Amino acid sequence: QKEVEQNSGPLSVPEGAIASLNCTYSDRVSQSFFWYRQYSGKSPELIMSIYSNGDKEDGRFTAQLNKASQYVSLLIRDSQPSDSATYLCAVNQGGSEKLVFGKGMKLTVNP
Amino acid sequence: NAGVTQTPKFRILKIGQSMTLQCTQDMNHNYMYWYRQDPGMGLKLIYYSVGAGITDKGEVPNGYNVSRSTTEDFPLRLELAAPSQTSVYFCASNPTGRDEQYFGPGTRLTVT
Repeated sequence: QKEVEQNSGPLSVPEGAIASLNCTYSDRVSQSFFWYRQYSGKSPELIMSIYSNGDKEDGRFTAQLNKASQYVSLLIRDSQPSDSATYLCAVNQGGSEKLVFGKGMKLTVNP
Repeated sequence: NAGVTQTPKFRILKIGQSMTLQCTQDMNHNYMYWYRQDPGMGLKLIYYSVGAGITDKGEVPNGYNVSRSTTEDFPLRLELAAPSQTSVYFCASNPTGRDEQYFGPGTRLTVT
């Protein structure tokens, strides 16, 4: 079973700060990378997807992928209390149709 | 579109009982998945399907069975429920197998 590792957290940041979430993966042939946000008691919802090396920006969110280092990250700029949730990193396994999820990082944004 | 729907939302089972968790999607997606999520943990793949009539095991299939007779439906069967199956179960689908997965609202199951 290929591994996806996230810092266990939790992470607490003040409102307006940058939150940085990190993820490493073991399968070198992975091609698709996803960040999901999960509010307590709810289902995961997609925040960002990234498929090639570099940065991808969407509003306050930036995903960064470095395939050589097997590392993917999510930056949240101008963090808001509504960003408080658990963030799950997911990586497709060996180019297959299956995703492997990390354990998640709980983020709290303090007003 | 309703997306991915799951029933029931909550269920309490006694040890040894059986039940079926229902999952339906109306997006004509070929790929469907069942996950379980234990407290403080990520999602573990139980079973998945790449199309009607085709299913395969995931990481944690023991104690579960699935079927996929139509594109829309992917029920998960628990036989002889055990306390270790207490969890939140999520169904998901996607069109190509390599894109974003769309999740249902989940079923919270307690086995006592």
